[in-house]
Amino acid sequence: GEDVEQSLFLSVREGDSSVINCTYTDSSSTYLYWYKQEPGAGLQLLTYIFSNMDMKQDQRLTVLLNKKDKHLSLRIADTQTGDSAIYFCAGGGNTGKLIFGQGTTLQVKP
Amino acid sequence: DTAVSQTPKYLVTQMGNDKSIKCEQNLGHDTMYWYKQDSKKFLKIMFSYNNKELIINETVPNRFSPKSPDKAHLNLHINSLELGDSAVYFCASSQPGGQQETQYFGPGTRLLVL
Repeated sequence: GEDVEQSLFLSVREGDSSVINCTYTDSSSTYLYWYKQEPGAGLQLLTYIFSNMDMKQDQRLTVLLNKKDKHLSLRIADTQTGDSAIYFCAGGGNTGKLIFGQGTTLQVKP
Repeated sequence: DTAVSQTPKYLVTQMGNDKSIKCEQNLGHDTMYWYKQDSKKFLKIMFSYNNKELIINETVPNRFSPKSPDKAHLNLHINSLELGDSAVYFCASSQPGGQQETQYFGPGTRLLVL
């Protein structure tokens, strides 16, 4: 069945780059998304990438997609303490059903 | 001018009770969803409605009954609450056929069953 996997935890120092990785099994996903969840809050859409793109950049965020390996990554440049949160990758096709990874907890140390 | 809102934000109740969670979106979207996030932060879709019609039902116990009075509202009623129902429930909405079909999430309802 459909599966999305992420590493559970990442710790970086303020100012460093963070790279959060995700692998997925469903190659029919039309879009792949990154959501951010701060403690006690809902999910906030960070960015998304269409499945026929390799890369998308949005200010400090860079998304890389390797369709052959079914690998998606989110790079956050100049990571700040306010970036500490759980990051979810999710895949979705035209059925509307989003499959989420387990979430990666990003800890940013001052 | 909240896009997707849920009430209540917190719900503490006894096992065996019946409770409802409400969701409203003002984005004009046709599709709404309910997701459950467990204690390990794992998020899983429960239901999806498109224009008041059920389109996704992910093997959820029939104690859970979604109701969509109109396309801007999707409520979740839970009968005979069990301890394992304790979780955070998120409502979301999207516009199918849109450019990226992004789902927008509400702030969540934290349900604790004692």
